[in-house]
Amino acid sequence: RKEVEQDPGPFNVPEGATVAFNCTYSNSASQSFFWYRQDCRKEPKLLMSVYSSGNEDGRFTAQLNRASQYISLLIRDSKLSDSATYLCVLLGGKLIFGQGTELSVKP
Amino acid sequence: DAMVIQNPRYQVTQFGKPVTLSCSQTLNHNVMYWYQQKSSQAPKLLFHYYDKDFNNEADTPDNFQSRRPNTSFCFLDIRSPGLGDAAMYLCATSRDRTVGLEKLFFGSGTQLSVL
Repeated sequence: RKEVEQDPGPFNVPEGATVAFNCTYSNSASQSFFWYRQDCRKEPKLLMSVYSSGNEDGRFTAQLNRASQYISLLIRDSKLSDSATYLCVLLGGKLIFGQGTELSVKP
Repeated sequence: DAMVIQNPRYQVTQFGKPVTLSCSQTLNHNVMYWYQQKSSQAPKLLFHYYDKDFNNEADTPDNFQSRRPNTSFCFLDIRSPGLGDAAMYLCATSRDRTVGLEKLFFGSGTQLSVL
């Protein structure tokens, strides 16, 4: 079983839609969790950290469910500029990246 | 201003011809990482330096080597590139090994093509 699993997508959604991504992980000892955004042929960039209590940054909401070992990212009111690949990242001794979920927001 | 700089942005090499990718940082961070990312795949950690201490991942092929002559610079050497080594190579830094809630600072990557 992979350490981090994500639905690769692509998720094709219209502007203004709400979209949610899930990420499951296998190592219950994972300490910290992050969502990174990666544009095509560019480096990953930190989008937000994920806290046990859940956290929100504008249109983005991240949640962690330790019991079920998954994290989620919710994007409200999608913009064209949200089109990218979203990587789930865990810290468990070292950073472990998921393969990413591709989002395409259409006009 | 770029804080982690990778050169070149695109690199083309021939099958079996040694190639070196470079990374420099202005952050004075202790840790420098090299990741390999193939198309539609997760970045895969190859190795990292904690100061001068080299840490190789168990599944990194011997074909990949690294050098860190000083705090600011780190090099990735591919001794005999194969077609399967074509990928984006990402350099990253962090202040300390336990990244925690700190950001991992990435360079813009070097896209390697092997002909």
